[in-house]
Amino acid sequence: NAGVTQTPKFQVLKTGQSMTLQCAQDMNHEYMSWYRQDPGMGLRLIHYSVGAGITDQGEVPNGYNVSRSTTEDFPLRLLSAAPSQTSVYFCATNPGGALGETQYFGPGTRLLVL
Amino acid sequence: AQSVAQPEDQVNVAEGNPLTVKCTYSVSGNPYLFWYVQYPNRGLQFLLKYITGDNLVKGSYGFEAEFNKSQTSFHLKKPSALVSDSALYFCAVRDIGSSASKIIFGSGTRLSIRP
Repeated sequence: NAGVTQTPKFQVLKTGQSMTLQCAQDMNHEYMSWYRQDPGMGLRLIHYSVGAGITDQGEVPNGYNVSRSTTEDFPLRLLSAAPSQTSVYFCATNPGGALGETQYFGPGTRLLVL
Repeated sequence: AQSVAQPEDQVNVAEGNPLTVKCTYSVSGNPYLFWYVQYPNRGLQFLLKYITGDNLVKGSYGFEAEFNKSQTSFHLKKPSALVSDSALYFCAVRDIGSSASKIIFGSGTRLSIRP
């Protein structure tokens, strides 16, 4: 049982390049989220999903796209990277409901945009 | 809209002394409240939560938090601090009426315990 996995661990991009941050979970959790962590800003919610085929915007969705074709995977796409997107990105899952609302976090992806 | 405020960027405490990390929240309905801890170069780990019931919630590593509805606060406490408690602590909130995925975090408080 791997829990929540994120790839890559670290990535350097040039401005304007595109990439996809991968997030996978094997806990069969319906709820998944993407956060970015910046110094002094805490964690800010980018996008979230309440199940396969359903996504919604969080606090800071601009510049990011998501899709949820399966319960297990929730990739985050940067279509045209900007230096302001330099951050640490965390994926989280949540069983929700009667199972307790606890978020389970992945190890993070550190992204540097030059 | 839901929001969380952690008014202190850093809290410094001597080992063995009690510690408090402050958190206030704003939601339109009733809140679910959480505390998470982050150690260097790691993801966040769950400490404790308030969903309903007793206002005093006990969690991992001897931490506890008290839900105060009138003051819209959920301060994290520990009676006797350990050096190993040094880490970054995040308070988080979800409005009961919103999705279980839509959990909003505060800006974090760095707790430093000196020997």
